[in-house]
Amino acid sequence: GAGVSQSPRYKVTKRGQDVALRCDPISGHVSLYWYRQALGQGPEFLTYFNYEAQQDKSGLPNDRFSAERPEGSISTLTIQRTEQRDSAMYRCASSLVSQGKRNTEAFFGQGTRLTVV
Amino acid sequence: SQQGEEDPQALSIQEGENATMNCSYKTSINNLQWYRQNSGRGLVHLILIRSNEREKHSGRLRVTLDTSKKSSSLLITASRAADTASYFCATVPNYGGATNKLIFGTGTLLAVQP
Repeated sequence: GAGVSQSPRYKVTKRGQDVALRCDPISGHVSLYWYRQALGQGPEFLTYFNYEAQQDKSGLPNDRFSAERPEGSISTLTIQRTEQRDSAMYRCASSLVSQGKRNTEAFFGQGTRLTVV
Repeated sequence: SQQGEEDPQALSIQEGENATMNCSYKTSINNLQWYRQNSGRGLVHLILIRSNEREKHSGRLRVTLDTSKKSSSLLITASRAADTASYFCATVPNYGGATNKLIFGTGTLLAVQP
């Protein structure tokens, strides 16, 4: 497909379990972003990558959250020992920006709705 | 944390009227972007305005940027029921490096009544 693909679309997990959310960006896009969005709020920045390098992880709430993009394409956001407060929509986006070129738009996936019970 | 706040939080208008949404942000920016989010769907990019631009048009959309006031406005002219959505401004802060981090505002919920 031509867009950003996220899987799964919905994930229900028990408190204390680990979850892995996947993002497949648009082919050739350099930058990849993870956001978390609570109902009625704007997306909250978590982390982003240029190629395989994690450029900024200042938005990750705590050390239970981690992300990787080992080959500069697909990325995984992992949440360990999930808690109910982790329930949210997790969105991934990619953009065709490279180092020093910042005036480009981001394309968002449909998101993964995570529910921790 | 979120960079910006949008005003109003919610707006209800009749089809054919114009809708204006405002966004304020906190830090120096490289560019500001507006996104639309329909109920239950993803975010879609609408328009980007660079920090050295003051106004930009795209179809029925008009965006202004005032960097001295750290604010932007989005005008949708001749609104349609299909414009009903949440609208978010997002900024790329100017940290002096190569970051392209997008920081979103809190959003305006627009309802266009047919």
